[in-house]
Amino acid sequence: QQPVQSPQAVILREGEDAVINCSSSKALYSVHWYRQKHGEAPVFLMILLKGGEQKGHEKISASFNEKKQQSSLYLTASQLSYSGTYFCGTETATDSWGKFQFGAGTQVVVTP
Amino acid sequence: DGGITQSPKYLFRKEGQNVTLSCEQNLNHDAMYWYRQDPGQGLRLIYYSQIVNDFQKGDIAEGYSVSREKKESFPLTVTSAQKNPTAFYLCASSISGTGGYEQYFGPGTRLTVT
Repeated sequence: QQPVQSPQAVILREGEDAVINCSSSKALYSVHWYRQKHGEAPVFLMILLKGGEQKGHEKISASFNEKKQQSSLYLTASQLSYSGTYFCGTETATDSWGKFQFGAGTQVVVTP
Repeated sequence: DGGITQSPKYLFRKEGQNVTLSCEQNLNHDAMYWYRQDPGQGLRLIYYSQIVNDFQKGDIAEGYSVSREKKESFPLTVTSAQKNPTAFYLCASSISGTGGYEQYFGPGTRLTVT
C-alpha cells in the first residue's frame, strides 16, 4: 500500500513556509523525498533512515517519526524555485529491499 | 559525465505491438528500477533489480517484462498484454538495493499507444 501524502496541493507566496506530510500503514525503514518539475525526472532531496540518520541537501529540512510511521518535509522561506511536485517514497521493514512505494505527490506553487 | 540515459524520449506504437524501452547507466550502480507515471499521479514501481541477473516484480508488473544481463542495462518491454500502456516511464538506479540509498532518475520515455 502506497504512503499517503498531504496536502494534495499548496500555494505559497515567496518567503512563506509550508509542511508536507507522508504517512504509512507499514513499519518503515526509510523515507525518501524527491521534487519533480513538470515533464522532468524527479530529483533527490533527502533520505531519512530508521534510527535517525539523515542524508540530503543542507537547505532541506525533514523529520521522521518512527513510532507513527510519518515523515514531514519543511519548506522554509520558500523561493520560486521550490515550485514542483514533491513525492515521498518509502522502504518498509517487511517488504524486500528495493520495493519502493511513492505517494501520489504534493503540488507546490510558489508565487512572487 | 555519469548518469542514466533513456531512449527514446518519445515513442509511438500501435496497439498490439510489443515495445522495448532502453535504460542505461554508467554510475556503476547495483540496483535499477522501472516506474510508471500517469498524469497527475505518483510513481508506481513496475520491476526492480538489486543485482545483475536478478529482478523482482513491483506493484504493477502485469503486462511488462525486464532483463538484467549487464550491470549497466535494464531494458523494459511493454507487451501487448498491458491494457493501458500509454504513460511516462522512468528508470532509476541506486548504489545498492539494500536500502537507504538515493535513486538517480533518467529523463524518462513518454510512450503513446494508439
